[in-house]
Amino acid sequence: GAGVSQSPSNKVTEKGKDVELRCDPISGHTALYWYRQSLGQGLEFLIYFQGNSAPDKSGLPSDRFSAERTGGSVSTLTIQRTQQEDSAVYLCASSLAQYGYTFGSGTRLTVV
Amino acid sequence: KNEVEQSPQNLTAQEGEFITINCSYSVGISALHWLQQHPGGGIVSLFMLSSGKKKHGRLIATINIQEKHSSLHITASHPRDSAVYICAAKGSGNTPLVFGKGTRLSVIA
Repeated sequence: GAGVSQSPSNKVTEKGKDVELRCDPISGHTALYWYRQSLGQGLEFLIYFQGNSAPDKSGLPSDRFSAERTGGSVSTLTIQRTQQEDSAVYLCASSLAQYGYTFGSGTRLTVV
Repeated sequence: KNEVEQSPQNLTAQEGEFITINCSYSVGISALHWLQQHPGGGIVSLFMLSSGKKKHGRLIATINIQEKHSSLHITASHPRDSAVYICAAKGSGNTPLVFGKGTRLSVIA
């Protein structure tokens, strides 16, 4: 597509439920990144994909967080048993080699 | 790990003023990004630079590799420039960006 698409744009969920966040990167972009921005905080790296593999998962805050990427394209970030501290804006970005990043508009997750 | 520092944290300017936001980083990089985040939360990539200077409209970004420092300048500032400006350092390969904490700019008419 023309840009990085994320869905849903907003998600309100009850504590303890699982949520799935989707990122559809720019066609052909091999690298895909997930970042998180909690209220009043800076951007925090979560995980990055090169193709379908995830060489760097170091930013995932707990084992409740997982992500996958299929077909070198769409990625899903899953948060199991959500907690209130998971509330944040989850941003996806894609890039191709040495070129710049394109960010999606984010998913605002609120855990109540 | 790269440490990215931005200053100032907050900046209020009168319309028309020349604005400078600074960014320094601790470890050599392959590129430095400047991003703009509006109140709605969406992030727009303004510049990616690895040397010298780039200009786009009223925005100018410069980088000094030896000093590990970059600046973002806005000429003839306007209220629509009000946003959070974030610098981010990129290492080699596909390593993730390391972000500064952002500079919140408010331009008053």
